[in-house]
Amino acid sequence: NAGVTQTPKFQVLKTGQSMTLQCAQDMNHEYMSWYRQDPGMGLRLIHYSVGAGITDQGEVPNGYNVSRSTTEDFPLRLLSAAPSQTSVYFCATNKMDKETQYFGPGTRLLVL
Amino acid sequence: GESVGLHLPTLSVQEGDNSIINCAYSNSASDYFIWYKQESGKGPQFIIDIRSNMDKRQGQRVTVLLNKTVKHLSLQIAATQPGDSAVYFCAENIVDTGRRALTFGSGTRLQVQP
Repeated sequence: NAGVTQTPKFQVLKTGQSMTLQCAQDMNHEYMSWYRQDPGMGLRLIHYSVGAGITDQGEVPNGYNVSRSTTEDFPLRLLSAAPSQTSVYFCATNKMDKETQYFGPGTRLLVL
Repeated sequence: GESVGLHLPTLSVQEGDNSIINCAYSNSASDYFIWYKQESGKGPQFIIDIRSNMDKRQGQRVTVLLNKTVKHLSLQIAATQPGDSAVYFCAENIVDTGRRALTFGSGTRLQVQP
């Protein structure tokens, strides 16, 4: 049981490049979320999903797309990276009837 | 390198002392609260949670206190150890909305001096 996994651990992009941050969980949790964490700040919600085929926007969704084709995977896409998207990205999951979220190890993204 | 907490408030305690980390939350409708611990280079790790129908909850070496009147949450760590050094975040949610995403505070860095 690996819990929540994220890949890559670290990525450097040039402005305008696209990439996908991967998140996978093997706990059969219905809810999955993406957060970003910037220096001196807490985590801010980007997008979330309550189940396969269902996604919704969080607090800071602009510049990011998500999809949820399976329960296990919840990729986050940056279509045209900007320096303002330099951050650490965390994926989190939880059961539908539980509020406690379990976090992945994070992806550190640098956009030049 | 550390990308989190460059400008965080810091609490420095001696090993063996008790630590109290405070958090003010903003939404009076929030009814679920949780404390996370984040070590350098890692994701947040669940410590303890509390619902709004309680004002105190205890775990192993940790206690969470909730004061809804002044919208204040605190985390007490007994006999603080070097391994407790980390950034601590409080988070809140409104359970009835069905939305499981949490709203996080900005965090407090705990430094334990040996």
